[in-house]
Amino acid sequence: DGGITQSPKYLFRKEGQNVTLSCEQNLNHDAMYWYRQDPGQGLRLIYYSQIVNDFQKGDIAEGYSVSREKKESFPLTVTSAQKNPTAFYLCASSMGRGRNQPQHFGDGTRLSIL
Amino acid sequence: AQTVTQSQPEMSVQEAETVTLSCTYDTSESDYYLFWYKQPPSRQMILVIRQEAYKQQNATENRFSVNFQKAAKSFSLKISDSQLGDAAMYFCAYRSPSSGSARQLTFGSGTQLTVLP
Repeated sequence: DGGITQSPKYLFRKEGQNVTLSCEQNLNHDAMYWYRQDPGQGLRLIYYSQIVNDFQKGDIAEGYSVSREKKESFPLTVTSAQKNPTAFYLCASSMGRGRNQPQHFGDGTRLSIL
Repeated sequence: AQTVTQSQPEMSVQEAETVTLSCTYDTSESDYYLFWYKQPPSRQMILVIRQEAYKQQNATENRFSVNFQKAAKSFSLKISDSQLGDAAMYFCAYRSPSSGSARQLTFGSGTQLTVLP
């Protein structure tokens, strides 16, 4: 079955450490997205990518970096510059074409500070 | 910039009854898309229903339907015959049709729905 796989499910970061969250999709979607969710809040867009080797900053990109070397993969690195990284991170993808293609989401990664 | 407001942080409904979740949005665009997503305790985001702004007819998906009032910029979700499995956080989301925005979603803050047996 097609879908979006995020790993790991839980991740812990030490002070000053960079960590990378994995997102893989086999839906043949062109566009991929990373969202951050804090308790009691909606999702906020971190980065998005419409095509391979191209990505754009979302609303809260500071302290994060991404790459899009393959269509299927869109890893997110939480750098040491992100001072409050504890949150739930969701990856999503959608078709690049089509006026009303919805976003499909992975199961998320919960990141905590040690 | 578009904003999405969900004014009900929490709602409850008796099993088999009907409940309506509210959502309003602010935009200067005339063409856009609206979505309701459900997030159960597993935290997975599940698409419930979608609506194109250019369609006057309200979308329906089985027990889920919307009341789309374009002039009022309102997009409420009605759940009929509520079931225990409907208990979840519900998010309203807006998407611009502009290609430059990569079809990103703007989410409301969510409504936590409890279904009482």
